[in-house]
Amino acid sequence: IAGITQAPTSQILAAGRRMTLRCTQDMRHNAMYWYRQDLGLGLRLIHYSNTAGTTGKGEVPDGYSVSRANTDDFPLTLASAVPSQTSVYFCASSRSAEMNTEAFFGQGTRLTVV
Amino acid sequence: AQSVTQLDSQVPVFEEAPVELRCNYSSSVSVYLFWYVQYPNQGLQLLLKYLSGSTLVESINGFEAEFNKSQTSFHLRKPSVHISDTAEYFCAVKGAQKLVFGQGTRLTINP
Repeated sequence: IAGITQAPTSQILAAGRRMTLRCTQDMRHNAMYWYRQDLGLGLRLIHYSNTAGTTGKGEVPDGYSVSRANTDDFPLTLASAVPSQTSVYFCASSRSAEMNTEAFFGQGTRLTVV
Repeated sequence: AQSVTQLDSQVPVFEEAPVELRCNYSSSVSVYLFWYVQYPNQGLQLLLKYLSGSTLVESINGFEAEFNKSQTSFHLRKPSVHISDTAEYFCAVKGAQKLVFGQGTRLTINP
């Protein structure tokens, strides 16, 4: 049982570089999410997708972009990384965007921008 | 819009003592409430959820939470904690298609 797979597990990135965090799920879930986790701030929603072909902005979208070309994949791109994007990134999915469906999380990507 | 407040950033307790992790939410629409647990260096796992029906919900490892609509709270409790409960606990509310998390509470168990 794979669930949600994130890659890479960790990465050190030079400021100004472009980086794509990968997220793949094998549960055929319609909704997918990207969160960043920072100490004392909990998890904050970056972008979400309620179904393939649609995306939306979350609480902290600036500096990030996403695409949802198919049901399984939801990559997160940092066009030009900055140190404030140092964080742990979690991808999640749920069966649907309906309110009564729980989210399943990947193991996270620890990103350090130097 | 929804928001979640976890009132304690850290809660230290002794093993076998009871614990309560507090969570309050605000929302202009009906919500569904969740508690997630994050063990060290891992992702988040669902602990329990309130969707409808009985306001008291339980997990398989002894935690329970009670939905209190009048107080807009969803506090998490366990009557007797174990060392293995050491983790960070996140309260979350889902409404309007988004899952919003609180800041998290780090539960540390002292022997």
